[in-house]
Amino acid sequence: KNQVEQSPQSLIILEGKNCTLQCNYTVSPFSNLRWYKQDTGRGPVSLTIMTFSENTKSNGRYTATLDADTKQSSLHITASQLSDSASYICVVSASRKAGNMLTFGGGTRLMVKP
Amino acid sequence: GAGVSQSPSNKVTEKGKDVELRCDPISGHTALYWYRQRLGQGLEFLIYFQGNSAPDKSGLPSDRFSAERTGESVSTLTIQRTQQEDSAVYLCASSRTTGGREKLFFGSGTQLSVL
Repeated sequence: KNQVEQSPQSLIILEGKNCTLQCNYTVSPFSNLRWYKQDTGRGPVSLTIMTFSENTKSNGRYTATLDADTKQSSLHITASQLSDSASYICVVSASRKAGNMLTFGGGTRLMVKP
Repeated sequence: GAGVSQSPSNKVTEKGKDVELRCDPISGHTALYWYRQRLGQGLEFLIYFQGNSAPDKSGLPSDRFSAERTGESVSTLTIQRTQQEDSAVYLCASSRTTGGREKLFFGSGTQLSVL
């Protein structure tokens, strides 16, 4: 069964600090891995999409890494801001087709405090 | 519109009533997806459309759930005889195609509360 596990479930950090969110997956065959940011009451917004050949991808202060051998990904947030408070969702796509092949993690709830 | 639009944003209904949720995807997006997100949980796949056809309905939780899409545009998700366990946020997303690397664009969801 395809699964995506994220840790921690929730995290509180002070504004300006860095943090790293983890994602482990058992999805086969692997196509790509995505990180989404979901603000409260809003739909998820795409941050990065990585295929197995991409080890790292950045989007501003967000840097995602992927180790396809160990089936792990991380999302690193640098110099956190209050607006980073949200849920961060790891999504893994199986095969070459999207359709129903997206497996969603349960998310990490991040709270940035002043 | 510029993004995926869903309506209503909130719906409160009584157990046993039928509800219709609407999704307007981004213009030109052929793929449309419905997901359910229960409080504090991850997204559950319900159904997706490629054009007007739905190749995969396996995610629909029961025969009380149905969806249709017309004109490769708006989609409606219908829940008949609602139950309290149907309470959740129903998210719609669209993408240009169903290709594996296509970015999904999500609406803000419909918060459904069944009393």
